Amino acid sequence: DGGITQSPKYLFRKEGQNVTLSCEQNLNHDAMYWYRQDPGQGLRLIYYSQIVNDFQKGDIAEGYSVSREKKESFPLTVTSAQKNPTAFYLCASSIDRARAGELFFGEGSRLTVL
Amino acid sequence: QKEVEQDPGPLSVPEGAIVSLNCTYSNSAFQYFMWYRQYSRKGPELLMYTYSSGNKEDGRFTAQVDKSSKYISLFIRDSQPSDSATYLCAMSAMGNAGNMLTFGGGTRLMVKP
Repeated sequence: DGGITQSPKYLFRKEGQNVTLSCEQNLNHDAMYWYRQDPGQGLRLIYYSQIVNDFQKGDIAEGYSVSREKKESFPLTVTSAQKNPTAFYLCASSIDRARAGELFFGEGSRLTVL
Repeated sequence: QKEVEQDPGPLSVPEGAIVSLNCTYSNSAFQYFMWYRQYSRKGPELLMYTYSSGNKEDGRFTAQVDKSSKYISLFIRDSQPSDSATYLCAMSAMGNAGNMLTFGGGTRLMVKP
């Protein structure tokens, strides 16, 4: 079955540690995105990538980093510089530029900082 | 003031009721409007995708856009307990810009048997 796989589903981190969230898709989509979701707030874009080896900052990129070495993979690293990293992180993809509003989401990764 | 406003709810209705979910927005450049459904602890899934003003129907779901009032709605007919979820509206000024989507905060819907 095609889809987006995020791992881990739950992650606990101590302050000062970097963590990497995995996102893999087998939909053959060009574009991939990382969003952050906090209670009562809309999804906020962290980073997006339209093609391999290229990515752009979203609205809240500070304290995060990404890479896009393969079309299928778009990992997100939450660095120690992110002041409030506890949140639900969602990875998404879209088929192409013309239908970029049609996002396909993974099941999310919940990060808790202890 | 947020660019897209959505009542967080929860909205509780009996099974079979007609549900109306709404979003207001301030950016008159928005032309593409989407509704996503998100079950608890899951990722959102796209329900409806509309362009500009007017209505779009898909089964029990109808999306309505009123650009003059900057107001969009999602109607659910014959609501079912399986419709219980959080509904997120999203919108953009350009169709080819997933990076430019603006989401509402979501409305939590509970449909009671």
